[in-house]
Amino acid sequence: DGGITQSPKYLFRKEGQNVTLSCEQNLNHDAMYWYRQDPGQGLRLIYYSQIVNDFQKGDIAEGYSVSREKKESFPLTVTSAQKNPTAFYLCASSPGAHRGYNEQFFGPGTRLTVL
Amino acid sequence: AQSVAQPEDQVNVAEGNPLTVKCTYSVSGNPYLFWYVQYPNRGLQFLLKYITGDNLVKGSYGFEAEFNKSQTSFHLKKPSALVSDSALYFCAVREITGNQFYFGTGTSLTVIP
Repeated sequence: DGGITQSPKYLFRKEGQNVTLSCEQNLNHDAMYWYRQDPGQGLRLIYYSQIVNDFQKGDIAEGYSVSREKKESFPLTVTSAQKNPTAFYLCASSPGAHRGYNEQFFGPGTRLTVL
Repeated sequence: AQSVAQPEDQVNVAEGNPLTVKCTYSVSGNPYLFWYVQYPNRGLQFLLKYITGDNLVKGSYGFEAEFNKSQTSFHLKKPSALVSDSALYFCAVREITGNQFYFGTGTSLTVIP
């Protein structure tokens, strides 16, 4: 998991609450990503950012928001508009296409449960 | 549009036997292909990648993968499976331009002692 930290490891949310998941990397990577993982569905892209102060929606962005104010940090907010947020959330980073065709590095994940 | 298919949700193999986890892809242009492994409640770990060159790519923990352009496949292989190889395996393809990755739905590998 090296170089990328996610917190908390487990998170419980009451219905109607917004929660923020933290993702920090010290790899000096330009690109960062948020994925949602549900059983049998693989990884689905929520948002990604190629550079500071810029980000793009992925396939399932509705009900989520992000910010990229610093290169090292890419927090994800799960809003009350997300109707089924219980899932395992993975953050990843990569050097960026301009620095070669490199793989992504993943954090350890945050498991979010709605009570 | 880029896409990845892993046709098998579950693969079972006896310890010591060779294993194969299948992956096919659809891309416009040259593919950049990756394999990752995930253990329960953990993030994904990189195993190997194909960018260009030799069709047989060697990676971590004795795994290798064979790129076949005519069959648009990138199957993961290991000559002798270990019980500790039991995990969830993901194939991924990267866009030629931009930074987006596309993942298959994963294959759960169980190595039986």
